[in-house]
Amino acid sequence: GDSVTQMEGPVTLSEEAFLTINCTYTATGYPSLFWYVQYPGEGLQLLLKATKADDKGSNKGFEATYRKETTSFHLEKGSVQVSDSAVYFCALIPDTGRRALTFGSGTRLQVQP
Amino acid sequence: DTGVSQDPRHKITKRGQNVTFRCDPISEHNRLYWYRQTLGQGPEFLTYFQNEAQLEKSRLLSDRFSAERPKGSFSTLEIQRTEQGDSAMYLCASSLGSLRDTEAFFGQGTRLTVV
Repeated sequence: GDSVTQMEGPVTLSEEAFLTINCTYTATGYPSLFWYVQYPGEGLQLLLKATKADDKGSNKGFEATYRKETTSFHLEKGSVQVSDSAVYFCALIPDTGRRALTFGSGTRLQVQP
Repeated sequence: DTGVSQDPRHKITKRGQNVTFRCDPISEHNRLYWYRQTLGQGPEFLTYFQNEAQLEKSRLLSDRFSAERPKGSFSTLEIQRTEQGDSAMYLCASSLGSLRDTEAFFGQGTRLTVV
């Protein structure tokens, strides 16, 4: 079945450091790919998405590129802030079949001042 | 509209008791999803409604679980004869149309503890 694998956390960075959170997926066809973020005490919210190969999703300084050849959707940010501390979830929806999100296990990011 | 709301936020119950959770989606959203999340894991899909029709159920949704969405508005998730393994955060989300074209909005969840 479809699945998403994320790097384990926590990831601890100093403010203004470069961030990469790895995400790879297993799915047939061309799934849509997503990053959701969960800030402390809040519900999950969409950060960015990409619906076809080579698309780049971006939002709030975060970027991720849909790489079909490596089945990856790594999340990057050039300069993290303390306010970016949260749990980040990679997710997919297949192009056929299930119409709900399949999530990875999440990666906790801690940014220190 | 203040988003997706879930009630209660926390529930402690004894093993063997029945519990029911409620989800109020964003008013015009026709799709509603239930997920379960355990500590350190990502949300796991349970079931999905389009309007009042329950279109898909996960294998995770045993016979003790039932969900409804009467009139395509709010939804309830009932767990009968709760077990300690049911302890988790239960999340509800809603969307207007396909998630390939739009965004899922999540509630803050109901945390269930079975003692």
